[in-house]
Amino acid sequence: RKEVEQDPGPFNVPEGATVAFNCTYSNSASQSFFWYRQDCRKEPKLLMSVYSSGNEDGRFTAQLNRASQYISLLIRDSKLSDSATYLCVVNIRTGGFKTIFGAGTRLFVKA
Amino acid sequence: NAGVTQTPKFRVLKTGQSMTLLCAQDMNHEYMYWYRQDPGMGLRLIHYSVGEGTTAKGEVPDGYNVSRLKKQNFLLGLESAAPSQTSVYFCASSPGQGVTNTGELFFGEGSRLTVL
Repeated sequence: RKEVEQDPGPFNVPEGATVAFNCTYSNSASQSFFWYRQDCRKEPKLLMSVYSSGNEDGRFTAQLNRASQYISLLIRDSKLSDSATYLCVVNIRTGGFKTIFGAGTRLFVKA
Repeated sequence: NAGVTQTPKFRVLKTGQSMTLLCAQDMNHEYMYWYRQDPGMGLRLIHYSVGEGTTAKGEVPDGYNVSRLKKQNFLLGLESAAPSQTSVYFCASSPGQGVTNTGELFFGEGSRLTVL
């Protein structure tokens, strides 16, 4: 079983739609959580950190459920520019830190 | 602001050839990493460094070597390239551990390597 699992998609949604991505992690020693965005043939970039209390950044909302070991990302009012791959990332404390990337969920927003 | 710079951006090698990828960061970060990204798989850590002069193996280190002679540079070497090493390679950096470390990784633009 992969340490971080995501639905690979692709998710095809019209502009203005709300779309949600889930991610599950298997290591209970996971300490910090992130969503990264990766555009086609580009490097990953941090979208937002994920906190236990949930956090929102404009149209994006991230939630963490430690008991069930999953993380979610909600995108409201989708824009064409949201088309990208969204990577779920987990930091595990193992003496130092071990960063595990999910394989990503591909999103296509259509006009 | 340059951030993390990788060279070269593209390279085609024949099986058995050697090459070195260079990563340079200008953010004074302690930690540096080399990842590879293959279709359908997450980024996988090859080697990493927690400071100048130190390196450690990651998840998939076989066939690669690294060096961190200067804090700002992290080199990834392939001594005898194999077709299985065809991939996109990303270098990343992050500040050292501590309250100032948010866990964010800063990536270079990637280096696309094809081994024939």
